Amino acid sequence: KQEVTQIPAALSVPEGENLVLNCSFTDSAIYNLQWFRQDPGKGLTSLLLIQSSQREQTSGRLNASLDKSSGRSTLYIAASQPGDSATYLCASSGFQKLVFGTGTRLLVSP
Amino acid sequence: GAVVSQHPSWVICKSGTSVKIECRSLDFQATTMFWYRQFPKQSLMLMATSNEGSKATYEQGVEKDKFLINHASLTLSTLTVTSAHPEDSSFYICSFPGQGGFGYTFGSGTRLTVV
Repeated sequence: KQEVTQIPAALSVPEGENLVLNCSFTDSAIYNLQWFRQDPGKGLTSLLLIQSSQREQTSGRLNASLDKSSGRSTLYIAASQPGDSATYLCASSGFQKLVFGTGTRLLVSP
Repeated sequence: GAVVSQHPSWVICKSGTSVKIECRSLDFQATTMFWYRQFPKQSLMLMATSNEGSKATYEQGVEKDKFLINHASLTLSTLTVTSAHPEDSSFYICSFPGQGGFGYTFGSGTRLTVV
C-alpha cells in the first residue's frame, strides 16, 4: 500500500526566501507525481506534474524534481511571496488512483 | 485546460437529512471520477471511484449505503450523503483523471456541516 509523507508539516519563512518542500513515497511503481496547492477551504490547484520517466518540471518560480529510485520528490519555490502561503500537497499516481501526502502548510510573511 | 464545476460550495444540514453534491466536467467527458474527503488539518482520502453507467467502487471503510454515488453521464457525477450525522461533517471534493497526460483536475470542493 502506497504511503506518501511530506516534510515539514509546517513552514514559516520571510518573504524572498528560497525554500524546499519534501515528499517521500514508499512504492516507486508510480505513473507520475503531482504537486498541488490548496488554499484554506478551497479545492486543489495543480502546480506541476512529473511523469515517471521525467526527473523534473519547472513552472515560473516553481521547480519539482522526482527520484523514483529513492522514493522522493521535492518542490522548490524561489523568491517566496506572501501569496505563496497555502498548503502544498504532493500525490503519487498509481493505476488511476492518487495517494496524497500529509501536506506542508506554508506561511510567507511580508 | 480541463474545468470541473462542483456545487454547492458549502452546505449546512440537520442531522438525519440527506445532502446531494454535484460534480460536472464542463469541457471534457470522463468515464471515471473520484470522490475524496478531507477532515480538518488532514490530507485527502479517496472515498470511491465513480464509473459511468456502472456501480461505484468504494474504498475500505467507506459505507456504500451511506454515500450514494451516481455517475449517470460522462460529464456528471453526484455524491449523496444519506442520513447525515455530525461526524460526516467534512470537505468533499471530486476529481477527474488527467486529460492528455495533464494529471488530475479537482472540483472546488463542498464544505458539509451537519448540525
